[in-house]
Amino acid sequence: QVQLKESGPGLVQPSQTLSLTCTVSGFSLTSNSVSWVRQPPGKGLEWMGAIWSGGSTDYNSALKSRLSISRDTSKSQVFLKMNSLQTEDTAIYFCTRFGLGVMDAWGQGASVTVSS
Amino acid sequence: DIQMTQSPSFLSASVGDRVTINCKASQNINRYLNWYQQKLGEAPKLLIYNANSLQTGIPSRFSGSGSGTDFTLTISSLQPEDVATYFCLQHNSWLTFGSGTKLEIK
Repeated sequence: QVQLKESGPGLVQPSQTLSLTCTVSGFSLTSNSVSWVRQPPGKGLEWMGAIWSGGSTDYNSALKSRLSISRDTSKSQVFLKMNSLQTEDTAIYFCTRFGLGVMDAWGQGASVTVSS
Repeated sequence: DIQMTQSPSFLSASVGDRVTINCKASQNINRYLNWYQQKLGEAPKLLIYNANSLQTGIPSRFSGSGSGTDFTLTISSLQPEDVATYFCLQHNSWLTFGSGTKLEIK
């Protein structure tokens, strides 16, 4: 059964760095890609970036300067790091399995609040 | 960047009604358009991929159509469990979501 689960701090101070982990099961990271998507409260979805099965990454141009996605295939984990957080980065952060343009499985989401 | 304009933003319909939701791309995206359903407090669920392919396990009352810049999600007979927000996603050039359509039962 394909599963993804996000974990990380629920509260981050402004200007600090957000670190999230996506732990996957039921599929291999060397054969599948993982994408990160976020959703601010009451708003729509924003694609943040992806790490491809081969290990390369792509980022939303609006976030590229602040965002890094990496992985540890031995632990079936994908990591998101985003620096210089501001209140507008408050959102639910989802990781998704991503292939051929299709996000066919999603984690339950990690709620992140940026506040002092 | 490709922009996706989704309409309407809010829709109220009766059980049994035929419902349509539209997405318009700012440029040609061929058939690289997916539709998602998001119920309150849940992660989005894939309904339709590549404009008109029904994801496994999704009821046949959901269908998608369109190509190029104009796309439609149709629910042929609205059910109470279809109350949700629906999003389109283009994946022709990077990825861009539509702004969402909140669907309620009248």
